[in-house]
Amino acid sequence: KNEVEQSPQNLTAQEGEFITINCSYSVGISALHWLQQHPGGGIVSLFMLSSGKKKHGRLIATINIQEKHSSLHITASHPRDSAVYICAVERGAQKLVFGQGTRLTINP
Amino acid sequence: KAGVTQTPRYLIKTRGQQVTLSCSPISGHRSVSWYQQTPGQGLQFLFEYFSETQRNKGNFPGRFSGRQFSNSRSEMNVSTLELGDSALYLCASSYSDVAIQYFGAGTRLSVL
Repeated sequence: KNEVEQSPQNLTAQEGEFITINCSYSVGISALHWLQQHPGGGIVSLFMLSSGKKKHGRLIATINIQEKHSSLHITASHPRDSAVYICAVERGAQKLVFGQGTRLTINP
Repeated sequence: KAGVTQTPRYLIKTRGQQVTLSCSPISGHRSVSWYQQTPGQGLQFLFEYFSETQRNKGNFPGRFSGRQFSNSRSEMNVSTLELGDSALYLCASSYSDVAIQYFGAGTRLSVL
């Protein structure tokens, strides 16, 4: 079993829909990162969080340390949000351990 | 402020050769981490350097090595290339421990 599990693996939605991507992990962590990767490979860090909730524009990330679970929400989704979203946990010697990613497609 | 710069962007090598990839971090960032991304294994941590010292290393064979210079620029070397080394190699820099990491555009290595 992977240390970091994301769901769903693929998600297709219509423009304007509320999107939720989930991440569960099985180890103790110092922080959790949400990353966005567009076709072509470039990765952008969206959030780093160790507790509670963070918001940036239409993106919201939450983490529940006791339940070892984090969610990334996108409100009023737009086709430009189409990308792969990756959850990664920061722990010990393995600087970041990554989930397998969620491929999000937003149709106009 | 310039972002993280990786060179070259694309590289084609043959089996048995060696390759060196370069990463220039954001000015002021002292931590540089390297990652490998393949379709089968996803993103995996290779190693991390901080102030010219390797602090952490992932589960990769000794053919993968790196170093960091006094100006924080980092290089990654892969010797005796294998077909399975074909991947996107990403470098990321951060100011300190447990901090947002800023990624470069990556070097796409193809081993023929």
